[in-house]
Amino acid sequence: GDSVTQMEGPVTLSEEAFLTINCTYTATGYPSLFWYVQYPGEGLQLLLKATKADDKGSNKGFEATYRKETTSFHLEKGSVQVSDSAVYFCALSDRETNAGKSTFGDGTTLTVKP
Amino acid sequence: DGGITQSPKYLFRKEGQNVTLSCEQNLNHDAMYWYRQDPGQGLRLIYYSQIVNDFQKGDIAEGYSVSREKKESFPLTVTSAQKNPTAFYLCASSRTSGQYNEQFFGPGTRLTVL
Repeated sequence: GDSVTQMEGPVTLSEEAFLTINCTYTATGYPSLFWYVQYPGEGLQLLLKATKADDKGSNKGFEATYRKETTSFHLEKGSVQVSDSAVYFCALSDRETNAGKSTFGDGTTLTVKP
Repeated sequence: DGGITQSPKYLFRKEGQNVTLSCEQNLNHDAMYWYRQDPGQGLRLIYYSQIVNDFQKGDIAEGYSVSREKKESFPLTVTSAQKNPTAFYLCASSRTSGQYNEQFFGPGTRLTVL
């Protein structure tokens, strides 16, 4: 079956540091890939997405590139802010077989210190 | 604005009581989902529905029940058979076809059993 493996957390960075959160996946088909963010006490929000190999999703300074050859979708940001402190989830959805159902990673908690 | 609403935000229940969590969406999505999230943990799928009047068990369906009588609504009942129901419950919806089938999440309901 499909699976998503995320870099274990928690991750603690100083403000303006470079962020990378690793995500690799296993899928039987050709999935769409997503990063979601969850702020304390809230639901998840879509951060960015990509649907085919070499696509780059980007939003709010975050980026991730769909790498089919390495089955990866690592999240990066060049300069983090305190307001980026949250839990980040990598996910995939196989649009040909799952009809919208997604597989989520376990989440990575990011804390950014001033 | 389109979105998902969950109510109530906080819910307290005595042991042995059933309780129903509400989830409504006006995004015209066919699929809806219920997840459970425990502190510091990822998402676990309880039930999902891809069409009205049909639903499937997820990974942890025991002690829970759902109905899907209307496209917009997918209520979750936590029964007295659920041994450890205290958790954060998230409802989501999505399209079932197309490239962009990301999930849209509600704000969550925090259930506490007293």
